Amino acid sequence: AQSVTQLDSQVPVFEEAPVELRCNYSSSVSVYLFWYVQYPNQGLQLLLKYLSGSTLVESINGFEAEFNKSQTSFHLRKPSVHISDTAEYFCAVGGTGGGNKLTFGTGTQLKVEL
Amino acid sequence: DGGITQSPKYLFRKEGQNVTLSCEQNLNHDAMYWYRQDPGQGLRLIYYSQIVNDFQKGDIAEGYSVSREKKESFPLTVTSAQKNPTAFYLCASSLRRSTIYEQYFGPGTRLTVT
Repeated sequence: AQSVTQLDSQVPVFEEAPVELRCNYSSSVSVYLFWYVQYPNQGLQLLLKYLSGSTLVESINGFEAEFNKSQTSFHLRKPSVHISDTAEYFCAVGGTGGGNKLTFGTGTQLKVEL
Repeated sequence: DGGITQSPKYLFRKEGQNVTLSCEQNLNHDAMYWYRQDPGQGLRLIYYSQIVNDFQKGDIAEGYSVSREKKESFPLTVTSAQKNPTAFYLCASSLRRSTIYEQYFGPGTRLTVT
C-alpha cells in the first residue's frame, strides 16, 4: 500500500518570497512521484514528475522538487513566487505493481499575497 | 487539439435520480480513471479501466457504476445509492497500463444533488 502526506493545508506567502510545499510518501515498492496544480474549478495539470534518474526535477515555470529516498520526501520549492502561482497543489505517488494507479495527497493551498 | 472533455461543467439533480457524467479522450490512452474531489480530502479513486470492456473498483466505488465500451469513452453513473453525491468529479487518462505514466485530467464536472 502507498500513501501521501501533505502536512500543510494552506501556505500563505508574499509575492517574490521563496516557498516550500511539503510532501512525504510511504510505499513498499519503487516509487514514481508527481506534483499537480489545480486552479479554481478546473482539472489538475501536471507540474513535474520524478520517474528515475536525477533526483532534482524542474518545471518550466520555475518550480523544482527533489526526491529524497532516505527521508521519503518530494518537497516542491520555488525561489520567488508570483501572484499567478496562487492555486492548490497536489502531490501524488505511483508504484510498480500498482496497476498505474496514483495515490494523491490532500492538497496544499498556496496563497500568494502582495 | 488532443485532450479530455467532460460534460457538462455543472450538473444539478434531485435526490433519488441516477445521473451519468461523460468523459471522452482523444489522446489514444489505454487507461482511464474517475476521481471524486471534496474540500480537504484530495482526490479519491472511484473506478479505473486499463482496457476496453474491463474496469476495477477504486477506493470509493459504492453507489457508482461505469462502462468502457470504447477506448475513447468512460462514462460514470452516480446512482441513487450514493449517499452523498454532491462533489467535483474528475476524469483522467494515461498512456500505458503496465508502466507508471502521468495522468492527464479533464476540466471536471461539479454535481449538486438536492
